[in-house]
Amino acid sequence: NAGVTQTPKFQVLKTGQSMTLQCAQDMNHNSMYWYRQDPGMGLRLIYYSASEGTTDKGEVPNGYNVSRLNKREFSLRLESAAPSQTSVYFCASRPTGGRGETQYFGPGTRLLVL
Amino acid sequence: TQLLEQSPQFLSIQEGENLTVYCNSSSVFSSLQWYRQEPGEGPVLLVTVVTGGEVKKLKRLTFQFGDARKDSSLHITAAQPGDTGLYLCAVNGGGADGLTFGKGTHLIIQP
Repeated sequence: NAGVTQTPKFQVLKTGQSMTLQCAQDMNHNSMYWYRQDPGMGLRLIYYSASEGTTDKGEVPNGYNVSRLNKREFSLRLESAAPSQTSVYFCASRPTGGRGETQYFGPGTRLLVL
Repeated sequence: TQLLEQSPQFLSIQEGENLTVYCNSSSVFSSLQWYRQEPGEGPVLLVTVVTGGEVKKLKRLTFQFGDARKDSSLHITAAQPGDTGLYLCAVNGGGADGLTFGKGTHLIIQP
């Protein structure tokens, strides 16, 4: 049981390049989330998917798009990377979406945009 | 304005000492969670508190939810180097029950 997996672990991009961050969970969870973590800012919600086939914006969605490919996979795309998107990105999932439920986090993708 | 204010931001103490870190807000919450994050990894849930005044213990860690459900504290007794990490408090409210986090307390326990 791998839990939440993320690829790649590290990535360096030049300004204007695009990339997709991959996330998969094997716990049959309905809800999935993308967060970014910046020094001094804590984790902030970028996008979420309450169930397969639905996605919605979180606190900081500008510059990102997402796809809930199926129940297992939730990808985050940067169409034209900017230095302000240098961050550590975490994917998370949880079973049914009830308040107070545990969220399970992946190990993160460290992204540097030059 | 930050929804959750954590203090202190940084704390470095010797092994064996006790410590308390805080998570404060002016808002009322139905529940509050504490996560620990180690370098290079994602956050891992330690506890969820739900009832005002609730106290939960996890080995040497004691968590308390304020009576008014606006604040919480984490007390560690006889800290050990393995307790080193970033301690984050979080509440639901980020959309479809995503989490809103405090900025965290960076804790270093020196041998």
